[in-house]
Formats: sequence, C-alpha cells, structure tokens
Amino acid sequence: EAGVAQSPRYKIIEKRQSVAFWCNPISGHATLYWYQQILGQGPKLLIQFQNNGVVDDSQLPKDRFSAERLKGVDSTLKIQPAKLEDSAVYLCASSLGLDVYEQYFGPGTRLTVT
Amino acid sequence: KNEVEQSPQNLTAQEGEFITINCSYSVGISALHWLQQHPGGGIVSLFMLSSGKKKHGRLIATINIQEKHSSLHITASHPRDSAVYICAVSRGNTGNQFYFGTGTSLTVIP
Repeated sequence: EAGVAQSPRYKIIEKRQSVAFWCNPISGHATLYWYQQILGQGPKLLIQFQNNGVVDDSQLPKDRFSAERLKGVDSTLKIQPAKLEDSAVYLCASSLGLDVYEQYFGPGTRLTVT
Repeated sequence: KNEVEQSPQNLTAQEGEFITINCSYSVGISALHWLQQHPGGGIVSLFMLSSGKKKHGRLIATINIQEKHSSLHITASHPRDSAVYICAVSRGNTGNQFYFGTGTSLTVIP
C-alpha cells in the first residue's frame, strides 16, 4: 500500500515570496490533515479536511495561508506571502475517517524562509 | 499548559539499556498514540492504545487511564532506536484530531 506522498521535500524561499505544498493521501482515506512542525516542537494542526470539506481550520493563519482539497483526494497548502517564522516542516497526514483511527504521515516538506 | 506532557525531553542511553519515556495528559481521551520521528523523516505510528499494554518487538507501551499516564519502554536499546518519540492523544469529540506532546529526543550510543 502506497503511503502519504508529499512534494517538494525541501524548499528555500525569500520572505514575501509564495510557496505551495502538495499532498496525496493514502487511497480511501477520507480525512486529511496539514500540520506545521517548528524545530523542537510537536506538530500543530493547521487544517483538517473530511473529503473536500473543512472540518477545522481554526489555527490556520488565513491572512497568508490557504488550503484546498477540491476533489476530496489530494490537497495543496499555500503560503503567500511567506514570513521568516513560517520556516518549519509541513506535514500531511491522512486517516480513514473522523472516528479514532491511526493517522499516517507523509515525509514532510522542510521550508526555509530567508 | 499543554494537554500532553512528556518526560524526559532528552535522553541519552548506552546500547543495550532499558529505556522508559513517560507521557501524562490532562484531558479525557479516546486513545493514546506513540509516534516515532527520525531526523529529516516523517512520523511513523508505533502504537495506538486505549487500555492495558501492547508489545511490538522490543517496544512496549502501557497506559493507565485512571492516572492519565502512559509509558513507552524500549528493551535492549540499539543505536537505530535514536529518534524523537512523540506522545499524542485523540479525543473522541474532535474528529480524530491529535493533541501532541513536544517529544522526547532519544540518542542511543554504541
């Protein structure tokens, strides 16, 4: 079974530039999560989708971050414009649904904003 | 205060030692998860448990629901066990959202 795919693995941009991350969850997984993990901290949920609908985006900085999952499968997370404090690993995870399941994580995208 | 606390934050052990990582939580949960993160790597689920004890190879996870405490044990530790171990909890009314601890960085020296 293929795991959660993410791209790119690494990205370096200057502040005020824009960047987009892509995630393809495990086939059949209805729930998709985007996390931000700053060095030395646990992951922080940015947004959670159930199929193509948003379940929770309360911690997403909506003035600069946006995310979509238009067809209920893969998803894109965008930052525009980036700030220095956005430097982090962005993790995508998926699970079967909203009940208590394991979450399966992708390899992450390490973003450096200079 | 974080809902999930882990200790220790950092741990260095000699190869072969028995290792214990602790996790305490302050909220009602549906399940507790132990996750492993290697440097530069993604996160792998080790255990999901809601009661008792689970064992997988050299790893053992226990949970005490009454005391709101879980432990992850590694027997006969090996340098390849070096990683960050993260405790997370699921709360049944939040759509399987995870609440994460800050992780325990383990280094096993040959």
